[in-house]
Amino acid sequence: RKEVEQDPGPFNVPEGATVAFNCTYSNSASQSFFWYRQDCRKEPKLLMSVYSSGNEDGRFTAQLNRASQYISLLIRDSKLSDSATYLCVVTSYNNNDMRFGAGTRLTVKP
Amino acid sequence: DAGVIQSPRHEVTEMGQEVTLRCKPISGHNSLFWYRQTMMRGLELLIYFNNNVPIDDSGMPEDRFSAKMPNASFSTLKIQPSEPRDSAVYFCASSMTGDASPLHFGNGTRLTVT
Repeated sequence: RKEVEQDPGPFNVPEGATVAFNCTYSNSASQSFFWYRQDCRKEPKLLMSVYSSGNEDGRFTAQLNRASQYISLLIRDSKLSDSATYLCVVTSYNNNDMRFGAGTRLTVKP
Repeated sequence: DAGVIQSPRHEVTEMGQEVTLRCKPISGHNSLFWYRQTMMRGLELLIYFNNNVPIDDSGMPEDRFSAKMPNASFSTLKIQPSEPRDSAVYFCASSMTGDASPLHFGNGTRLTVT
C-alpha cells in the first residue's frame, strides 16, 4: 500500500462547479498536511496547509480526519484557472520525510 | 527574495555520461530535499538533508545516484553513469525544520538521457 494515495482523476468540471478531492495516508503518526498545486511543466507550489480543525482560504476548504486518516480539499465556484494537478503532502514529525500523493488532475471547462 | 535555484534547467546527455544537478536552497532554510518526478511514478523523494547532514537516502534508486551538501547554501545530485530510465524532472526543495513548515521548490531540472 502506498503511503499517500489520491484518486488520479481526471476530474472534468464546468466553471462554477464545486469539486472535492480526498487523499488517504497510511502512517497514523503523520504530523503535518498540505495541499500543493502543480501546473503543467512547472514546480509544485503550496496551495494551503491543512489544520486539525479544518481551514478555509477563499474558495478553498481543507479538512483533516485523523480517525480515518484522510484529508480533503473542496473547491467552490471553480474557475478555468483552477485547472491543474493537486497534490496532497503528508509529513512525519518535525517536517522531515515529506511524502507526496500522485496527484489529482482537475480540468475546469467553460 | 530569491527562491530555490536549480541548474541547469534542461540537460540532455548520452547514456553512460555523468550528470550533475545543482541546487541552492532558500537562505535560512535548514532542510533540503531532492525529488524525482515522472508520469509513471509521480513525485518520489530521493534524499533529504537536515543541517547539511543526509538523514534518509532510502529513496535513492541505485548506487549510481549520489548527493552531497557541502554547506548550507549548496547541494548536488550526481548520476554516474546515467541511463535512459533516469530521464525525469528532478526537483530540489527546501524548508525550515519544524511543524507546518511547507516546502519551497525550485524550477526543476528536466533530464533526458538518450
